Amino acid sequence: DADVTQTPRNRITKTGKRIMLECSQTKGHDRMYWYRQDPGLGLRLIYYSFDVKDINKGEISDGYSVSRQAQAKFSLSLESAIPNQTALYFCATSARGSSYNEQFFGPGTRLTVL
Amino acid sequence: AQSVTQLDSHVSVSEGTPVLLRCNYSSSYSPSLFWYVQHPNKGLQLLLKYTSAATLVKGINGFEAEFKKSETSFHLTKPSAHMSDAAEYFCVVMPYSSASKIIFGSGTRLSIRP
Repeated sequence: DADVTQTPRNRITKTGKRIMLECSQTKGHDRMYWYRQDPGLGLRLIYYSFDVKDINKGEISDGYSVSRQAQAKFSLSLESAIPNQTALYFCATSARGSSYNEQFFGPGTRLTVL
Repeated sequence: AQSVTQLDSHVSVSEGTPVLLRCNYSSSYSPSLFWYVQHPNKGLQLLLKYTSAATLVKGINGFEAEFKKSETSFHLTKPSAHMSDAAEYFCVVMPYSSASKIIFGSGTRLSIRP
C-alpha cells in the first residue's frame, strides 16, 4: 500500500549492530503497529502506538524499541541485532475508534542478521 | 484467551474450481474477524471483515466468508479459482476490547494448478 512506506526494504547486518527500521504513513491514522513475520508463524505484534504519546509492548517486544516521532512516523530499533531477529518486518496503521477498523500494511522490510 | 487456527498450511486447487480456506477461532468476547491476502513480496491486503452486521461477508476479488458462531469458524471461499489468487492467506481475530490482542493465524498458502 503506497500510503504506508517502509525503509529500507532490505537490510543485511551483522550481529551486535544497531538497526533502525522506519515507517511513514499518509493515511492520517492515529494508530501504528510493528509486526514481524516468520515462516509458519503468521505475524506477531512487537509494539503498537495509539497516538504520539502512547507506546505499548506487544507479544514479542524483547530486544526491540520504538519511537513515535510524529503522527505519521513510527520507527523500530534493534539495539544489538541477533540472528534470530532475521525476519520480515511490517508496519501497519489503523484509524482510531472501532476495533472493526482494518489495518493497512506497508510493503515490509526484509532483515537478515548474520 | 483468544486464538485462531488455520487448518491447512497449503491448499492446491485447479483453476476454475472452488476454493475453501478454513479458519477456526476462539475468543472470550464477540470478535472482529478478518481475512488478509499476501502476494509474493508484497504487504498484506484486506480481503474482507466480519463486523457482526451480517454472517455472510463478501470481499474483494470474488471471495466471501461465513461467520458461524456455533462452529467458531470463519472459512474463506471462492466459487472459481483464478491463477492470480495464488498467494498466502491469513485469518485474523481481534477481540472487541483491544487492538493489542490482535492475533494472526499461521497462514494458508494457496496454489492454483493450470
